[in-house]
Formats: sequence, C-alpha cells, structure tokens
Amino acid sequence: EIVMTQSPATLSVSPGERATLSCRASQSVANNLAWYQQKPGQAPRLLIYGASSRATGVPGRFSGSGSGTEFTLTISSLQSEDFAVYYCQQYNNWPLYTFGQGTKLEIK
Amino acid sequence: QVQLVQSGAEVKKPGSSVKVSCKASGGTFSSYAINWVRQAPGQGLEWMGGIIPILKAANYAQKFQGRVTITADESTTTVYMEVTRLRSEDTALYYCAREDGTVTPAGGYLSYGMDVWGQGTTVAVSS
Repeated sequence: EIVMTQSPATLSVSPGERATLSCRASQSVANNLAWYQQKPGQAPRLLIYGASSRATGVPGRFSGSGSGTEFTLTISSLQSEDFAVYYCQQYNNWPLYTFGQGTKLEIK
Repeated sequence: QVQLVQSGAEVKKPGSSVKVSCKASGGTFSSYAINWVRQAPGQGLEWMGGIIPILKAANYAQKFQGRVTITADESTTTVYMEVTRLRSEDTALYYCAREDGTVTPAGGYLSYGMDVWGQGTTVAVSS
C-alpha cells in the first residue's frame, strides 16, 4: 500500500498570505495525485487532479505542483473561505487509492 | 450534471450488516467510477473501495477485503455498499464519490479525481 504523508498537521497563516502544504508518497505516484478541501459539515471538494490541474470552478489562487513522491499545494493569497482541512490522495496505484491524513489550515 | 444522493442514517448493532445506497443522476452512469470513502468522527478520509459499472468489477482496500461489498445496478443507476460484521470502529460518515475519468483500452482507468460527492450517510454502531 502506498502511504501518503502530509505536513504540517496544522498550518497557521494570516489572511492574504501564502500557504504551502506538502504531501509525500512512500513510492512514486507519477503525477496521479489529487487535492481536496473539506470544511466542517461538508463533503470534500476536489481542487486539483493530475498534481497540477485545477478542477472546474476552483479559483486561480490554488495551484498544485510536484511529481513522483513530493507534492505541494499552494494557496497564493488566503481568503477567509480557504481555512479548512486539505487532503492529498494518490490514484497511481489504480484501483487501490489512499489519502493523506490531512492538513488543517487555520487562521493565525 | 451528475448528482449523487445517498440513503439515510443507520443505527446498527455490533455484528450486524448495513447496506448504503448512492443514486446517481445525470452523466453516463456505466462509464465512470463510484468510490466509497468514510470518515470516522474527528478523523480523516479513508478510501474503502470503488466500482466502474462498465467493467463490472469492484475493488477494495485491503483493510476491507471480505467485509465490504460494492455493487452497481445500472437499471436504477444506483451503487450499493454493504458492510458486514459491523463493529464500533465502523461508526463513521460514509460518502460515495464519482470519479471522473476514462476507461483505457488496457482495461485501466485514467482518473481526473473525485469531483462529485454524495451528502454522506451516518452509520452508528452501538450495542
């Protein structure tokens, strides 16, 4: 099983600043990586697929990068609605998928 | 536009089974994958398994092999997930999620991520 490790567990950032979230795979997943945002009481929302492609309707301040085992989600200028939990998910090992444990992005 | 509507909350006894449904509307049901993801209270997301109706085969996380069964009824565009031998640790919010993608000639699946989610079904297991 491919293990996905996200860091940090909690990230405190001020509105308007940049946030950088990391995700590491225990073995290469090529670019088969997605990022999701989850707010309290809501289902997850797809932000990024293919490591760097934004899903439909996702604002341009969200960007993904990386390949192989190291990935990054960057939010360029944090808005109040961006404070949430973010998960990475690999789908390289189809049909066996795994999620990271999540990073909570909180207001500093 | 694809929408997923799940069945209602369940309360079950340890050792029993639960079957949760996920009805899809819009899109081409048979050609995209439906996955099941659960979230225990205060915890992260856990992929359980998924099915692509056109391939007529479900796949499961090793942890759930033998205890979870995912099926699809193309006539009603509904996917079902059954969990047997329930225990308290199965108490969670269960989501179905459509995974957009393309079946490849080799029988694989080119994924574009889980872009549509159901509203979630709470399953509580308690004696």
